[in-house]
Amino acid sequence: EAEVAQSPRYKITEKSQAVAFWCDPISGHATLYWYRQILGQGPELLVQFQDESVVDDSQLPKDRFSAERLKGVDSTLKIQPAELGDSAMYLCASSFLLGTGGKETQYFGPGTRLLVL
Amino acid sequence: RKEVEQDPGPFNVPEGATVAFNCTYSNSASQSFFWYRQDCRKEPKLLMSVYSSGNEDGRFTAQLNRASQYISLLIRDSKLSDSATYLCVVTPRFSGGYNKLIFGAGTRLAVHP
Repeated sequence: EAEVAQSPRYKITEKSQAVAFWCDPISGHATLYWYRQILGQGPELLVQFQDESVVDDSQLPKDRFSAERLKGVDSTLKIQPAELGDSAMYLCASSFLLGTGGKETQYFGPGTRLLVL
Repeated sequence: RKEVEQDPGPFNVPEGATVAFNCTYSNSASQSFFWYRQDCRKEPKLLMSVYSSGNEDGRFTAQLNRASQYISLLIRDSKLSDSATYLCVVTPRFSGGYNKLIFGAGTRLAVHP
């Protein structure tokens, strides 16, 4: 069964450092999502791509976070500088079609667990 | 007010018990509804979609009440393997094709022998 790949699985960094996370969606999935999940809360959408274009980044803290999907396949999420409050799990998801009235299943990767010291 | 609200639990039940979770959502224009399951330190996985007419998948039954803006999940004959966090999820009204998922904080279920 095809899966969403993410790396690294765990990352420990000090505040003010830069971190980057990578995601490879299921082959053929045009839509890619980055979510952040703080302990005890549900995932929250940070950014959504359709192919290489950003279609929603309204919840992305753009002063420190950036995301790209240059060739419309894999994607990188970066934080610079990291802050203590960024400690969370960062989840990537992908889906096949956009524009199907919200019925398209999103498949999640295993996540990257970030700890900022 | 959060867009999707759930009782965090935990719900501690014995094997074989029937347990029900409720969830309320604030946006009356929400379009699609789901239950996701998340095991400890794992990613969320789709458990089932929720339809207005109600739907069943084995031991799991989901109901949607649009007038009251709540969604329920019923688990019958609980198994140890059902222990997990159950996330209630809605999507806003279809607009420009954005398939955004809005998650509740989850309800934790612990099934014991």
